[in-house]
Amino acid sequence: AQKITQTQPGMFVQEKEAVTLDCTYDTSDPSYGLFWYKQPSSGEMIFLIYQGSYDQQNATEGRYSLNFQKARKSANLVISASQLGDSAMYFCAMRVIQGAQKLVFGQGTRLTINP
Amino acid sequence: EAQVTQNPRYLITVTGKKLTVTCSQNMNHEYMSWYRQDPGLGLRQIYYSMNVEVTDKGDVPEGYKVSRKEKRNFPLILESPSPNQTSLYFCASSAGQETQYFGPGTRLLVL
Repeated sequence: AQKITQTQPGMFVQEKEAVTLDCTYDTSDPSYGLFWYKQPSSGEMIFLIYQGSYDQQNATEGRYSLNFQKARKSANLVISASQLGDSAMYFCAMRVIQGAQKLVFGQGTRLTINP
Repeated sequence: EAQVTQNPRYLITVTGKKLTVTCSQNMNHEYMSWYRQDPGLGLRQIYYSMNVEVTDKGDVPEGYKVSRKEKRNFPLILESPSPNQTSLYFCASSAGQETQYFGPGTRLLVL
């Protein structure tokens, strides 16, 4: 069965520090996609970054990068130079079943940035 | 502006009273989904649709119905809501394999 595991229920980081949010996944499908979403206290789901299973390079989007280690089945999110506005819930998700657009989500990590 | 809209954003209802949560996207996306979010469980897919008149069950479909008569709309129907359907609901849409765009969410309380 496909599964996403986020082992850090909460993290506290000083402003301007880099932070790594852990995500491991489990699937037997050779073709899959990995996503990270941010959910601020207002509740909306904001797409951050995407990594395809066949992508050779790690995905980057501004201050966000995805540390993709296929052999270890991990897809950690790295946020560089954290800001107070980064405080939110972060979800790792995996797309399974080509064409069906089903996302399987982890339980999330609550990130708090301290000034 | 490209977006997914949901209505209502907040709803309090009573057990057994049928309700519909609407979802509409203006991006001409083929794929649409409904998810529910509960504390400690992340988001779980309820139903999804790959195109007009093509829908299928997700992980937690019990107690829900959907329809896809038009490409832009994907309403979620609770025929007889129960308290265990109290949750935060998200509609999402996508065109391809990369990004799903989420609506703003609907907070539902069933008394």
